[in-house]
Amino acid sequence: DAGITQSPRHKVTETGTPVTLRCHQTENHRYMYWYRQDPGHGLRLIHYSYGVKDTDKGEVSDGYSVSRSKTEDFLLTLESATSSQTSVYFCAISVSLTGASNQPQHFGDGTRLSIL
Amino acid sequence: DQQVKQNSPSLSVQEGRISILNCDYTNSMFDYFLWYKKYPAEGPTFLISISSIKDKNEDGRFTVFLNKSAKHLSLHIVPSQPGDSAVYFCAAITYGGSQGNLIFGKGTKLSVKP
Repeated sequence: DAGITQSPRHKVTETGTPVTLRCHQTENHRYMYWYRQDPGHGLRLIHYSYGVKDTDKGEVSDGYSVSRSKTEDFLLTLESATSSQTSVYFCAISVSLTGASNQPQHFGDGTRLSIL
Repeated sequence: DQQVKQNSPSLSVQEGRISILNCDYTNSMFDYFLWYKKYPAEGPTFLISISSIKDKNEDGRFTVFLNKSAKHLSLHIVPSQPGDSAVYFCAAITYGGSQGNLIFGKGTKLSVKP
């Protein structure tokens, strides 16, 4: 158990509203990630963080922003949600100190977000 | 351009037999590969990995084979059990690269029938 908690687990909201998803970890790992999973696409990286206030874009970052003001929390924000952002969102952490490629990522249980 | 491909969306196998899940990649700079397993309503769980300097890595019932010349890897599960029924994702990364560069395939849904 990598001590990752995602909240909320489910959310339904309307187009145009802001949405914030939270990822909380209990083990002070440096690297944290946000992915989305959609049918026919596998997992795609949205943003990741390599330290407090240090973040970078992933493959599908448009329409999303992130913040990391504390080591343990990584927030994903949809400023104005669209129906195309309906998805399952996964947070992950890396146990590596450097984000090195040979250390697997550990995932939370996901947030199912529906935008109507 | 899909760099990691899992061309079989689903696979059905009888309990006790071998399950073989395949993954192809296009980027010759990938040199570390991982397999994740995912149950419904849960996050992916790391299963097994392999470095490009090896051609085989084994962990219990799970073995991953890498054929660099063919840019192909496979996951063998022997013997298959009903609890192995899940979606399996192949992922790849370049050596020394940030894990922000971890690329996933679309997944293969394995069903193991009793």
